[in-house]
Amino acid sequence: EDQVTQSPEALRLQEGESSSLNCSYTVSGLRGLFWYRQDPGKGPEFLFTLYSAGEEKEKERLKATLTKKESFLHITAPKPEDSATYLCAVVGGSNYKLTFGKGTLLTVNP
Amino acid sequence: DAGITQSPRHKVTETGTPVTLRCHQTENHRYMYWYRQDPGHGLRLIHYSYGVKDTDKGEVSDGYSVSRSKTEDFLLTLESATSSQTSVYFCAISAENSSPLHFGNGTRLTVT
Repeated sequence: EDQVTQSPEALRLQEGESSSLNCSYTVSGLRGLFWYRQDPGKGPEFLFTLYSAGEEKEKERLKATLTKKESFLHITAPKPEDSATYLCAVVGGSNYKLTFGKGTLLTVNP
Repeated sequence: DAGITQSPRHKVTETGTPVTLRCHQTENHRYMYWYRQDPGHGLRLIHYSYGVKDTDKGEVSDGYSVSRSKTEDFLLTLESATSSQTSVYFCAISAENSSPLHFGNGTRLTVT
């Protein structure tokens, strides 16, 4: 059974204070790891897909990296508008269904 | 934003009544999904569809049924709503089975 564990559950940063969110996973034959952002009252918004260890993707202040056991979402010089819940999900093997982690609630204070 | 519309956005119903939630897409994507999101559980797959009239169960399918008679519409039915089905329901679509999912903005369902 695929498993995804995200840490920390909640993270509070000051504006400009860089940090990282962790997504540890157990999957048989990773086909893809996905990062999403979710704002209150909205559906998850797709950010990145990573397919193999060593791969990196960047978008504005966000950078996602992937190893064989975990992924990191690095947030550089965050702004208050980066406040959201960040979700990680994996799909693996012959099962094309996504397994989601419970998310990290990020709060960036001005 | 992906063209996904969920209706209704909010619904309050009583235990034992049937409820149908609708998801409509304008992207012509083959795959459609229904998830529920609950505190402490994250997103969990209820049912999904890989084509018109082709559906399969997810991890929490008990008490739910689905139908897809057209590419653009995916219906989720609670035959007899229970309080444990109080949740936020999200529809998602994808072009291929390993492509990123794109989500609607959800339906908040309260069963009293």
